[in-house]
Amino acid sequence: NAGVTQTPKFQVLKTGQSMTLQCAQDMNHNSMYWYRQDPGMGLRLIYYSASEGTTDKGEVPNGYNVSRLNKREFSLRLESAAPSQTSVYFCASSAFETGTKGAKNIQYFGAGTRLSVL
Amino acid sequence: AQRVTQPEKLLSVFKGAPVELKCNYSYSGSPELFWYVQYSRQRLQLLLRHISRESIKGFTADLNKGETSFHLKKPFAQEEDSAMYYCALLTDKLIFGTGTRLQVFP
Repeated sequence: NAGVTQTPKFQVLKTGQSMTLQCAQDMNHNSMYWYRQDPGMGLRLIYYSASEGTTDKGEVPNGYNVSRLNKREFSLRLESAAPSQTSVYFCASSAFETGTKGAKNIQYFGAGTRLSVL
Repeated sequence: AQRVTQPEKLLSVFKGAPVELKCNYSYSGSPELFWYVQYSRQRLQLLLRHISRESIKGFTADLNKGETSFHLKKPFAQEEDSAMYYCALLTDKLIFGTGTRLQVFP
């Protein structure tokens, strides 16, 4: 199992450019997440998808869109990048299922994408 | 409001000293709490979770519902423990604290 795979690892954009961050997991998890990590702010949830076909906003969704393409893949799109979106982005997946708690609720993280917007 | 608070941004200790990374939470339900760790240039990974009551790499964390705390402790810090530590609360999603950077000096 590769776990959670994110591409690209690094990206530099100019203000106003668009790009899509890709994420794929091979653990057959239902839930997938996108976070951004900023110094002093910790990890903040951008969007998540509890199951294939559903997406929900997290704490900081503005300026982003997501697509749960299938059970494996969850992409994050920046339509018009801004310098405030310079960050490290992490994708995660878990087998969390609504209404249940326990051993399946562990999140597995990708290696991260370091994005700079100039 | 659902919230996780890690009051210390940075904790510096010498090798062999005890370590306590503080975490407090706010949640009206029955909490499920985790500690995640991120070593330099590595991905975030689960360190331990309260329901399993385990000790991982010498770290333990006890849930104190009265004080709404889930502090991470280790009696003797090692240099390889230097990392970023995040406390997280599971609701319908995982809510992270802002993280504490632990530096262990030789």
